[in-house]
Amino acid sequence: DIVMTQTPLSSPVTLGQPASISCRSSQSLVHSDGNTYLSWLQQRPGQPPRLLIYKISNRFSGVPDRFSGSGAGTDFTLKISRVEAEDVGVYYCMQATQFPLTFGPGTKVDIK
Amino acid sequence: EVQLVESGGGLVQPGGSLRLSCAASGFTFSRYSMNWVRQAPGKGLEWLSYISSSSSTIYYADSLKGRFTISRDNAKNSLYLQMNSLRAEDTAVYYCARDASGYDWGQGTLVTVSS
Repeated sequence: DIVMTQTPLSSPVTLGQPASISCRSSQSLVHSDGNTYLSWLQQRPGQPPRLLIYKISNRFSGVPDRFSGSGAGTDFTLKISRVEAEDVGVYYCMQATQFPLTFGPGTKVDIK
Repeated sequence: EVQLVESGGGLVQPGGSLRLSCAASGFTFSRYSMNWVRQAPGKGLEWLSYISSSSSTIYYADSLKGRFTISRDNAKNSLYLQMNSLRAEDTAVYYCARDASGYDWGQGTLVTVSS
């Protein structure tokens, strides 16, 4: 199974400041079809997960452009350019390149 | 607007069974693969099962050890999860999600396994 790790696990941030979360996979996420199926999910308190980014850097419908994804191979990053109060929650990276699908442990983002 | 609505959760005794349903709307259900994912109280996300659009390909997490069965009815725009031999550690919120990349998620249905 592909193991996903995230750093940091907790990130207190100041409103209006940037935030960054790293995700690393135990093996390359490049699929045989050439795509890299790495997604980022946001879970606000008491809410279900919501897709932010798919295939490394593609913002899903309705996702603000302050969220961006980057990376390749085994190392990926989610960046929030200017954190807003509504961004508080837990962020998960997820790989869909190989079954079983696996998630990172989650990074809790809250406001300082 | 895409909607996924899970139902069928509740309190069940250890060893019991439940069948979860996920009603889909707002997209062409028959064109998308679907997944079940669960989240134990205060824990992270755990993928359980995948079914392709035509039901021709199905995968399960090894941890389920044959206790759960995924299925779908494209005519009814519905996804199912039959859960047997339930254990306390199956207590969780169960989500259905569209596509392996997790495009859309339902609100979840809580399953509590307890005597």
